[in-house]
Amino acid sequence: SQQGEEDPQALSIQEGENATMNCSYKTSINNLQWYRQNSGRGLVHLILIRSNEREKHSGRLRVTLDTSKKSSSLLITASRAADTASYFCATGAPGNTGKLIFGQGTTLQVKP
Amino acid sequence: DVKVTQSSRYLVKRTGEKVFLECVQDMDHENMFWYRQDPGLGLRLIYFSYDVKMKEKGDIPEGYSVSREKKERFSLILESASTNQTSMYLCASSLRGRSYEQYFGPGTRLTVT
Repeated sequence: SQQGEEDPQALSIQEGENATMNCSYKTSINNLQWYRQNSGRGLVHLILIRSNEREKHSGRLRVTLDTSKKSSSLLITASRAADTASYFCATGAPGNTGKLIFGQGTTLQVKP
Repeated sequence: DVKVTQSSRYLVKRTGEKVFLECVQDMDHENMFWYRQDPGLGLRLIYFSYDVKMKEKGDIPEGYSVSREKKERFSLILESASTNQTSMYLCASSLRGRSYEQYFGPGTRLTVT
């Protein structure tokens, strides 16, 4: 079952530029989360934004949430080569189970 | 820091073998998950456990079983490995309840020949 869908599927930028990734979802949510995955590794939780929040910052990360449009964006400012990874959004599955539904991910390449 | 460990980073097994993948977490989390990740298909939930001895099927449970005898350990079992089970397997854990962040292990790359 697909809840979050990311856009674009792939993004290539130069070091120092900003990277923006978008996520759309279908059902009502309690929160939306973003994760990063380096090649061949597990996912790492980056940031969680609650449904009653519109924007959240963490270091060079900025996440926005528009519940009326059922969409979220992740902005990475002043990107670095080390930001090269896949980025996934995730939303809670219906019910109070703790299960998450992950999007397909955006693959970001930051060129030095 | 939460630590989730998986028994192997890489594993090669033959068709028909019984395969055990183990996951251990050290943060007393109630929830544990097994996913497989394939190119173009994203993360798909295989099984989920919200307590010791409790399990729930995910989206793709066929060909798999799980065991959770202790809170910190969640095992994924491939009863009779097949080539279409070649994949990256990811274990995760979280607190019980609604949509808490999940903590992932490093993954096991399983190849079935």
